[in-house]
Amino acid sequence: KAGVTQTPRYLIKTRGQQVTLSCSPISGHRSVSWYQQTPGQGLQFLFEYFSETQRNKGNFPGRFSGRQFSNSRSEMNVSTLELGDSALYLCASSPGQVNEQYFGPGTRLTVT
Amino acid sequence: EDQVTQSPEALRLQEGESSSLNCSYTVSGLRGLFWYRQDPGKGPEFLFTLYSAGEEKEKERLKATLTKKESFLHITAPKPEDSATYLCAVQGGSNYKLTFGKGTLLTVNP
Repeated sequence: KAGVTQTPRYLIKTRGQQVTLSCSPISGHRSVSWYQQTPGQGLQFLFEYFSETQRNKGNFPGRFSGRQFSNSRSEMNVSTLELGDSALYLCASSPGQVNEQYFGPGTRLTVT
Repeated sequence: EDQVTQSPEALRLQEGESSSLNCSYTVSGLRGLFWYRQDPGKGPEFLFTLYSAGEEKEKERLKATLTKKESFLHITAPKPEDSATYLCAVQGGSNYKLTFGKGTLLTVNP
């Protein structure tokens, strides 16, 4: 089975711009979660989608949003980028909500 | 709010020198405790899930154990390829998110 894929792998954006990241989960997995990883804060939960519905949301500003499509693929969007948004953004999928999550390789976002 | 604390932050071992990593947690209604391994520039790789106190899981040189307040990842006779950051996470209550610790950076010298 193919693993979780994320595109693009690397991205450089300017402060004030917006960005969209994409995630394709493992086939058959219906739950997709997004995390932000920085050296100082570690892995922090952004949001989780299950069958196209956002079930959980972390403590991030409204500039961070996401959605899930009927084929379980997911996108996250960050508007009005700030320097502090530079991070590794990780997507994880699982068969249901109470299961281990399998992570993709991440998208490295750099905001200048 | 769920909390996870991992210790030590960094651990340096000689090849073959066994040791343990600690994960202390507070969670309302534990659904699962997860161990991951992360190599530089890559996403975390799933290792184990533990569901209840007393449970143990093994994989090659790694063994994970769970009590009501903490989990240990025991590494027996480590090899240089075991060098990585090991992450612990909990899932609890009605919130299905994973709460991660900051990780333990393990370096195994040949």
